Amino acid sequence: GEDVEQSLFLSVREGDSSVINCTYTDSSSTYLYWYKQEPGAGLQLLTYIFSNMDMKQDQRLTVLLNKKDKHLSLRIADTQTGDSAIYFCAETHSGNTPLVFGKGTRLSVIA
Amino acid sequence: DAGVIQSPRHEVTEMGQEVTLRCKPISGHDYLFWYRQTMMRGLELLIYFNNNVPIDDSGMPEDRFSAKMPNASFSTLKIQPSEPRDSAVYFCASSFGRASQGGYTFGSGTRLTVV
Repeated sequence: GEDVEQSLFLSVREGDSSVINCTYTDSSSTYLYWYKQEPGAGLQLLTYIFSNMDMKQDQRLTVLLNKKDKHLSLRIADTQTGDSAIYFCAETHSGNTPLVFGKGTRLSVIA
Repeated sequence: DAGVIQSPRHEVTEMGQEVTLRCKPISGHDYLFWYRQTMMRGLELLIYFNNNVPIDDSGMPEDRFSAKMPNASFSTLKIQPSEPRDSAVYFCASSFGRASQGGYTFGSGTRLTVV
């Protein structure tokens, strides 16, 4: 079955860039997503990328997709303390299956 | 829209008791998903509905778990009897279509503690 892997922890200094990485196994993935979960809250959709794209930029967020290596990354520029949260990568196969989530990367931002 | 609404936010119950978790999806969304989040397993899909009909319940851990969606605006997840290993955060999510650029909208979750 599909599998999505992420590193569990990342620590960065305020003002630096954060890069959160994700690998997935399903070569038929159609949409790939990044969700953010703040303490005590549900998951909030940050951004998504369609599989025919290599890059997507949205303000401080840049998503890179390497389909050959099945690698997805989320770059947060000028990381702020408010960015401290758990970030989940998710993918779906052809839009016909429920989203499969990674275990999440806990980002800690040090002031 | 107020988003996906789950109740209660927190539930503490004794082992063996019945627990019912509730969810109101976003109006107009035709898919509803129940997920369970634990430190060990991350987010697990338990069951999902399309137009109120259960489509895949293969993630439901045991017969002690059941879910219903009597109408488009309400779903329940029931655990009977509850056990300490059921302690987790349970999320409900809804979407328009199975997957698209809209992704899923999640509720705030119900934190269940079984003692």
